[in-house]
Amino acid sequence: KQEVTQIPAALSVPEGENLVLNCSFTDSAIYNLQWFRQDPGKGLTSLLLIQSSQREQTSGRLNASLDKSSGRSTLYIAASQPGDSATYLCAVYEGGADGLTFGKGTHLIIQP
Amino acid sequence: DTAVSQTPKYLVTQMGNDKSIKCEQNLGHDTMYWYKQDSKKFLKIMFSYNNKELIINETVPNRFSPKSPDKAHLNLHINSLELGDSAVYFCASSQSDRTNQPQHFGDGTRLSIL
Repeated sequence: KQEVTQIPAALSVPEGENLVLNCSFTDSAIYNLQWFRQDPGKGLTSLLLIQSSQREQTSGRLNASLDKSSGRSTLYIAASQPGDSATYLCAVYEGGADGLTFGKGTHLIIQP
Repeated sequence: DTAVSQTPKYLVTQMGNDKSIKCEQNLGHDTMYWYKQDSKKFLKIMFSYNNKELIINETVPNRFSPKSPDKAHLNLHINSLELGDSAVYFCASSQSDRTNQPQHFGDGTRLSIL
């Protein structure tokens, strides 16, 4: 049974810092891995999707990497801003009609 | 245009009632899902459905049942609501045979049981 773990559970840093969020998964037989952002009381916004054959994806100040064999992914946020404050969720997709398996998220606060 | 829309956004009801949450996607996707986010904010798959199969997470009580009138809709029916059903329910969709495409989520329905 797939399990996804995110470390740290919470993180508070000053504005402008670069930071890394970690995600690990137990079964490497995945099709893709997605990073989402969730703002309080809101739905999920997809940030990046990495195919199992890819090693990284970039979007603006965000860079996600994937090491499928070791079951790890990182989300790198450059030059953090207060607007980046949210909960970041990592999820893996194992194919077909299976849903995503989510981690419990990292609650990120960027201090102005 | 909203890609995945859920109604209602908020639902407050008494224990023991039966309620439904509607979900519609206009993306032409062939697979739809329901997820539950509990009070600790943990998201967990409840159902996934395409025109071929329904996959039910074994932890979901049989009081919960998805109904799909057509490919663009997957409604969630809940019978005999219990206090523990209070949560945020998210609908999502994807094109299941295209693994390079993300799942798209609705904004959630916040269910509160009194």
